[in-house]
Amino acid sequence: EPEVTQTPSHQVTQMGQEVILRCVPISNHLYFYWYRQILGQKVEFLVSFYNNEISEKSEIFDDQFSVERPDGSNFTLKIRSTKLEDSAMYFCASSESRAGEQYFGPGTRLTVT
Amino acid sequence: AQSVTQLGSHVSVSEGALVLLRCNYSSSVPPYLFWYVQYPNQGLQLLLKYTSAATLVKGINGFEAEFKKSETSFHLTKPSAHMSDAAEYFCAVSDMGYSSASKIIFGSGTRLSIRP
Repeated sequence: EPEVTQTPSHQVTQMGQEVILRCVPISNHLYFYWYRQILGQKVEFLVSFYNNEISEKSEIFDDQFSVERPDGSNFTLKIRSTKLEDSAMYFCASSESRAGEQYFGPGTRLTVT
Repeated sequence: AQSVTQLGSHVSVSEGALVLLRCNYSSSVPPYLFWYVQYPNQGLQLLLKYTSAATLVKGINGFEAEFKKSETSFHLTKPSAHMSDAAEYFCAVSDMGYSSASKIIFGSGTRLSIRP
């Protein structure tokens, strides 16, 4: 069964460093999303992406964040200058259509020290 | 704006007992409602979803949920708990198809513990 994959599973970085989290959505899906979950808290929407542009972003998704689909398979989330409070589990999701079911990847745990 | 409220951050039941996890939603448009399960150190797995068809929705692992518009509720139930049901459960809402984006809004989660 097709699935969303994410790499790395765990990333440790120092405050102020740039990180790129990678996702490979399901191949025929057209809508892509990033969510994050701070330890012990709920899952929060960050951004949705369609047709090579951001559809919607949350208040969390400030200028430090960017997303890109650099090729036909990857979908990336970049944090330019990480802060301690960026430590969280980041989930990628994809869907075939705007109203279609979103399939979540296993997540990348980002630890900022 | 849409939101969900999960009543009870932690629920503990005995193995074989009824599981009831409560969720109330708020939405200005007909909502799509979901229950997700998250096992320790794993991702999110969809248990079931309501998309305006039948109000009683059956999902995986014996779970079901009933959409009650009059009560704005979407409680999750399972007749008989199993040890393997111990996990974090998230209720979620979306306005898929009504706005420019299909973001999912999650509740704060309920941790389900099963007593032997």
